[in-house]
Amino acid sequence: AQTVTQSQPEMSVQEAETVTLSCTYDTSESNYYLFWYKQPPSRQMILVIRQEAYKQQNATENRFSVNFQKAAKSFSLKISDSQLGDTAMYFCAYTGTASKLTFGTGTRLQVTL
Amino acid sequence: KAGVTQTPRYLIKTRGQQVTLSCSPISGHRSVSWYQQTPGQGLQFLFEYFSETQRNKGNFPGRFSGRQFSNSRSEMNVSTLELGDSALYLCASSYFRDRNSPLHFGNGTRLTVT
Repeated sequence: AQTVTQSQPEMSVQEAETVTLSCTYDTSESNYYLFWYKQPPSRQMILVIRQEAYKQQNATENRFSVNFQKAAKSFSLKISDSQLGDTAMYFCAYTGTASKLTFGTGTRLQVTL
Repeated sequence: KAGVTQTPRYLIKTRGQQVTLSCSPISGHRSVSWYQQTPGQGLQFLFEYFSETQRNKGNFPGRFSGRQFSNSRSEMNVSTLELGDSALYLCASSYFRDRNSPLHFGNGTRLTVT
């Protein structure tokens, strides 16, 4: 079975600074997708960024980028120029052949002034 | 385009009762998935429907069931409610079942069982 591990329950960053959230996963599949979702207090899960395993180039979406290390099964999220609106729970997720998402336990990110 | 709509937003039920939650996907989306979110277990996959057929099921007891209608709207039902069923239930939709179709989530239904 696939597992996703987020080892940082909580993190804090000052506005305009950069923060990196960690995620590791375990799988025996060779073709899969990885995602970072954001869940603000409104409860809606919002897709932040996704990475296809067969693509070596790290995905980037504006201020959000990932460091995908396939051999190490690591998938970290970097948020640059942090904004107050980035305050939320961040979930790392995996999907393989089963077409369902397996989520990590989440990292609560607080952006402060 | 309207997002994924879940109703109701909040529910309070008593142990032993049953409950039905509703999910209207984004227009044109044919795949609907359900997830349970609790502080203890985190986010867990319940089931997925595509073209009115259950395509995938998570590790939940038979008290949890669902269905999808011809207009892609979906309902999930929980019978004989237990205290441990208290959770946020999230619905997500996508165009297709393949992994390249990103999931769009609703705001969830918060179920409290007393």
